[in-house]
Amino acid sequence: QSALTQPASVSGSPGQSITISCTGTRSDLGTFASVSWYQQHPGRAPQLLIYDVTTRPSGVSDRFSGSMSGITASLTISGLQTEDEADYYCSSYSGGDTFVFGTGTKVTVL
Amino acid sequence: QVQLVQSGAEVKKPGASVKVSCKTSGYTFTHFDMHWVRQAPGQGLEWMGIINHSGDRTTYAQKFQGRITVTRDSSTSTVYMDLSSLRSEDTAVYYCTRSFSFIVVDASYHHFDYWGQGTLVTVAS
Repeated sequence: QSALTQPASVSGSPGQSITISCTGTRSDLGTFASVSWYQQHPGRAPQLLIYDVTTRPSGVSDRFSGSMSGITASLTISGLQTEDEADYYCSSYSGGDTFVFGTGTKVTVL
Repeated sequence: QVQLVQSGAEVKKPGASVKVSCKTSGYTFTHFDMHWVRQAPGQGLEWMGIINHSGDRTTYAQKFQGRITVTRDSSTSTVYMDLSSLRSEDTAVYYCTRSFSFIVVDASYHHFDYWGQGTLVTVAS
């Protein structure tokens, strides 16, 4: 149950688009299309951003979008805003009632 | 509205056990699986384990097997996480979270839709 691999940090200027990758293995992302993304501000609990690879819960801005190719899932933030500065985590079901999170990515708005 | 309210911060000595509670409200407790996730200071999220909606099945991350017990009480809509043989590396914020699952014949989909506020457990001598 190794963590999914994410870049440690990604940065962008306000208004730009950034993409965070999340790479797994054939056992998790390669088998299950059950990828979700979470945003976590300092000192706060994580919040669901994207589920089932591409679906946004109600209330989440359409500036957030998800995609997947092979064993890599991606989260794109368009029109970057200062409030998007946070940590982002991907997660996947990995079978047998087990789950795994990504290593986490710190997004900085320049 | 759905709420998950966790018990307060704990300070424990190495070798001791800790039990964290997560009281839920706003939905039908027996319809959803519950999980525990932890986050060490400055580190990422780590999945620890799941208890299914009816409470008759648990699965734990290999790393915690033998030290963790997750239970649930449907009379109070509360989930519990017991972690034993604590060491300094167990110092972390512990979160309970609900999973929404959709299972079809050849696929299953899960995500964590609601989270507790977190409980800081500090292990120090």
